[in-house]
Amino acid sequence: DAMVIQNPRYQVTQFGKPVTLSCSQTLNHNVMYWYQQKSSQAPKLLFHYYDKDFNNEADTPDNFQSRRPNTSFCFLDIRSPGLGDAAMYLCATSRDDGSYYNEQFFGPGTRLTVL
Amino acid sequence: DQQVKQNSPSLSVQEGRISILNCDYTNSMFDYFLWYKKYPAEGPTFLISISSIKDKNEDGRFTVFLNKSAKHLSLHIVPSQPGDSAVYFCAASGNRDDKIIFGKGTRLHILP
Repeated sequence: DAMVIQNPRYQVTQFGKPVTLSCSQTLNHNVMYWYQQKSSQAPKLLFHYYDKDFNNEADTPDNFQSRRPNTSFCFLDIRSPGLGDAAMYLCATSRDDGSYYNEQFFGPGTRLTVL
Repeated sequence: DQQVKQNSPSLSVQEGRISILNCDYTNSMFDYFLWYKKYPAEGPTFLISISSIKDKNEDGRFTVFLNKSAKHLSLHIVPSQPGDSAVYFCAASGNRDDKIIFGKGTRLHILP
């Protein structure tokens, strides 16, 4: 089945220790997104890639970086995690086929704990 | 500054009855609205959407109503089934944007 895969599902890191979350997709979608969702909050878009073009949200902290080495993979790097970065991180993809709106497909998320 | 608001964190409905989930938005530039459903330990999955040129869209047991003048939309599920127990996110997009803005979600409990 075509899908969006996130690894690991649970990640524990120490305060200030860099961490990388990964997302892969078999849908061959050209757009990939990273969202942060804290408990009882709305998923918040951090950035997205339209093909190789990186689009950062204005309020995304510099502590968050992303890489997309190819169509299938996208990484979220948190350079110096703080306690406030503990959250669920959701990866999503969509295919821009010229339709007015393109549905986003989500992975199961990675829950990040910062000790 | 929430642009998409779901004011009910949770809702309990008897099985077989109608579930109505509400959503308000503030940005008049939004012209496409979506509902996503999320089970525990899974990512959100797309449920139903509506364009601002319509006021109703129906798909099986699910109907979304849009009231543009009130900046309000609602999701109706009838009849409600146990498998409908989940968190429902309202979301909106505008100007042919790739981005969507989510609400905080409403947890729906279907009671036996």
